[in-house]
Amino acid sequence: DIQMTQSPSSLSASVGDRVTITCRASRSISSYLHWYQVKPGKAPNLLIYTASTLQSGVPSRFSGSGSGTDFTLTISSLQPEDFATYYCQQTHRTPFTFGPGTKVDIK
Amino acid sequence: QVQLVQSGAEVKKPGASVKVSCKASGYTFTGYYIHWVRQAPGQGLEYMGWINTNTGGTDYGDPDFPQKFQGRVTMTRDTSLDTAYMELSRLRSDDTAIYYCARTRTVSYGMDVWGQGTTVIVYS
Repeated sequence: DIQMTQSPSSLSASVGDRVTITCRASRSISSYLHWYQVKPGKAPNLLIYTASTLQSGVPSRFSGSGSGTDFTLTISSLQPEDFATYYCQQTHRTPFTFGPGTKVDIK
Repeated sequence: QVQLVQSGAEVKKPGASVKVSCKASGYTFTGYYIHWVRQAPGQGLEYMGWINTNTGGTDYGDPDFPQKFQGRVTMTRDTSLDTAYMELSRLRSDDTAIYYCARTRTVSYGMDVWGQGTTVIVYS
């Protein structure tokens, strides 16, 4: 299986901060990398697909970059509704593994 | 509108089976794959597999490197009902989780529409 790691595992930030989350794959996954936001009691929400494409309806403060093994999710100016857990997922090879998540909470 | 609506919560005993349904509406059911993902209490997202709703083909991962539920999960669909199903057998306490279905346009795309989740509790 392709193993996914994320860093940091958690972070505390303030409204307006720029936040960057890193995701790394155990081997090259080209651009088959997607980012999801999960809030307690809610289904996951797709933010970014194929590494850098913003999903329709997602605010432009979210952006993604990377290819191969190293990827980043950036929130340019953190908003109150962005406090959540973020997961990356690879779909290069089944099983389509998720990273362990990064919890973003309020400083 | 486009949505996936899942069946209600289940409480099962260890060793039993559970079958969760996922009914699609608002789009052409056979034009999208359905994937299943679960989240145990306090844990992250765990991918289970996909079904091609057009052909019925499935993928549960590499059989040479089985996931903890491999050999126990079966994904099916009924195109006349626009519904996908995930059945998990020989339930264990660590199968307690919220189970989600989600769709993708091609097998490798991001999952853009999700069901609301189905809580399965395995309890003796």
